[in-house]
Amino acid sequence: EAQVTQNPRYLITVTGKKLTVTCSQNMNHEYMSWYRQDPGLGLRQIYYSMNVEVTDKGDVPEGYKVSRKEKRNFPLILESPSPNQTSLYFCASFSPLKRGTQYFGPGTRLTVL
Amino acid sequence: DAKTTQPPSMDCAEGRAANLPCNHSTISGNEYVYWYRQIHSQGPQYIIHGLKNNETNEMASLIITEDRKSSTLILPHATLRDTAVYYCIVIVGVGSGNTGKLIFGQGTTLQVKP
Repeated sequence: EAQVTQNPRYLITVTGKKLTVTCSQNMNHEYMSWYRQDPGLGLRQIYYSMNVEVTDKGDVPEGYKVSRKEKRNFPLILESPSPNQTSLYFCASFSPLKRGTQYFGPGTRLTVL
Repeated sequence: DAKTTQPPSMDCAEGRAANLPCNHSTISGNEYVYWYRQIHSQGPQYIIHGLKNNETNEMASLIITEDRKSSTLILPHATLRDTAVYYCIVIVGVGSGNTGKLIFGQGTTLQVKP
């Protein structure tokens, strides 16, 4: 089954404690991206990657890092989380060769205290 | 990417057709209309997309006006499980500088009622 998986699904942490949210897709998609969703602000892109070792900033990259060492994985790293990074996070992937429709993961709800 | 305008909310009776409008008056010739939906904080789900012709798939139909300035998503027989926020998104086609970024507006909250 084609899918995007994220882990963990829920996380409560404290300010400054480094964390990583993993994202993996099994569709061999070239493009992957991270979004955050906040009430009243909708979904906003954090980072995206057009292929292995190619990443770029989205609209709200401050406080986040990403890496793309393998095609299937695109982890989101928060080196020093702060309360304003409390949000619902989604990973997405798509292939420009396959209609360009995007597949989203189930979401990770992060709370930073 | 062109901006879109959607009504904030709509109701529909179960079993009836749900018609969700979207205005995209500044759409460019190489921009597609995509529809996604999000059911209660789950990951957004692709529904359908089109360029200029009407499209139909197993989930919905998409009607695009001839001038492409607006479109309508039609769910032919809405069920309670179709209650969701529906997003109309305009984006350039792949191979035309598409970085995959989707600009989600506020969408239309569709409430399907028994």
